Amino acid sequence: NAGVMQNPRHLVRRRGQEARLRCSPMKGHSHVYWYRQLPEEGLKFMVYLQKENIIDESGMPKERFSAEFPKEGPSILRIQQVVRGDSAAYFCASSQSRINRGLGGYTFGSGTRLTVV
Amino acid sequence: AQSVAQPEDQVNVAEGNPLTVKCTYSVSGNPYLFWYVQYPNRGLQFLLKYITGDNLVKGSYGFEAEFNKSQTSFHLKKPTALVSDSALYFCAVRDQTGANNLFFGTGTRLTVIP
Repeated sequence: NAGVMQNPRHLVRRRGQEARLRCSPMKGHSHVYWYRQLPEEGLKFMVYLQKENIIDESGMPKERFSAEFPKEGPSILRIQQVVRGDSAAYFCASSQSRINRGLGGYTFGSGTRLTVV
Repeated sequence: AQSVAQPEDQVNVAEGNPLTVKCTYSVSGNPYLFWYVQYPNRGLQFLLKYITGDNLVKGSYGFEAEFNKSQTSFHLKKPTALVSDSALYFCAVRDQTGANNLFFGTGTRLTVIP
């Protein structure tokens, strides 16, 4: 029973390119959350998705960032026209249901470390 | 607005000694409080949580945390530190007013010295 799988583990992009981060939740989990860990800062919530629906995107920057969780396949966090300030570790988490959200029911992936050069 | 403060970026402790990692919080109403640990190249792992009840909460790997409402603190503790406890520790808070997001501190790097 694999945990939350994120890939790639490391991603290097030049300024202006697109970054695509993938997250496959744990088997049986239909809720996916994305967090960003910035240097010198804590984890910050970005977006919460269920299959085919964005539930809460209050933490997503208004421009260049988007997320999806299609019916089939992994959740994708997409960053267009990356800038240096996007360099960070991005963590995905999944849970079985909304009830468990925020109550220790998360399972986190190992993160994708994005470096923008 | 919710916030979490971890005042120490780095904590060093000798193996076998007790350890404390500090956390204070600010939240509207009663808080849900959490500790997570991040080992190198790994995702966050849940350690323990306080929702209600006893102020002393016991969690994974021998860790415990004490909820202190008057001091708005939720310090993580362990009686006997192991070298394998060396990792990054995050405190998090969520309020009970409906928003379901966790707010994390900046993390404390714990180093247990053999």
